[in-house]
Amino acid sequence: RKEVEQDPGPFNVPEGATVAFNCTYSNSASQSFFWYRQDCRKEPKLLMSVYSSGNEDGRFTAQLNRASQYISLLIRDSKLSDSATYLCVVNRGSSSNTGKLIFGQGTTLQVKP
Amino acid sequence: DGGITQSPKYLFRKEGQNVTLSCEQNLNHDAMYWYRQDPGQGLRLIYYSQIVNDFQKGDIAEGYSVSREKKESFPLTVTSAQKNPTAFYLCASSLSPGQNWLHFGNGTRLTVT
Repeated sequence: RKEVEQDPGPFNVPEGATVAFNCTYSNSASQSFFWYRQDCRKEPKLLMSVYSSGNEDGRFTAQLNRASQYISLLIRDSKLSDSATYLCVVNRGSSSNTGKLIFGQGTTLQVKP
Repeated sequence: DGGITQSPKYLFRKEGQNVTLSCEQNLNHDAMYWYRQDPGQGLRLIYYSQIVNDFQKGDIAEGYSVSREKKESFPLTVTSAQKNPTAFYLCASSLSPGQNWLHFGNGTRLTVT
């Protein structure tokens, strides 16, 4: 079982749609969770951290479910510019060492006009 | 503007040759990292450095070497011992080893034939 698993997609949605991605992780000791966005052939960029209480940034909402060991990303009112690959990132364990970040393979979103 | 610079953007080498990828940052970050990304896979950690003159192996260090003689620089050498060197290589940094927010360079695409 992979340490971090995502559905690779692609998710094809029309503009204005709401779309949600899930990501599961295997290490129950993980404490830090993130969503990164990666455009085609570019470097990943931090989209948002995921907090235990859930957090929202504009059209984006991230949630954490520790009991089921998954995090989610909800995008409302999708824009063409949201088309990208969304990477789920989890730290490997209780250590604060950043070298232990694990990246999922990413979920590709295509927003169509 | 502060950031991370990787060079070159594209690199072509013949099998059996060593090649060094450059990574420079002017963010005054202590920690630096090298990741490799292959199609359909998440980023995998090759090496990381928490402080000058110190570095640690990541998950896939075999066939690679690094140095950290200066805070700003963390070059990666892909040696002839690396069996599948063709990939997208990403350098990243964080303010401190305990901070999980990674800043990425724009990557180097290495093709070995």
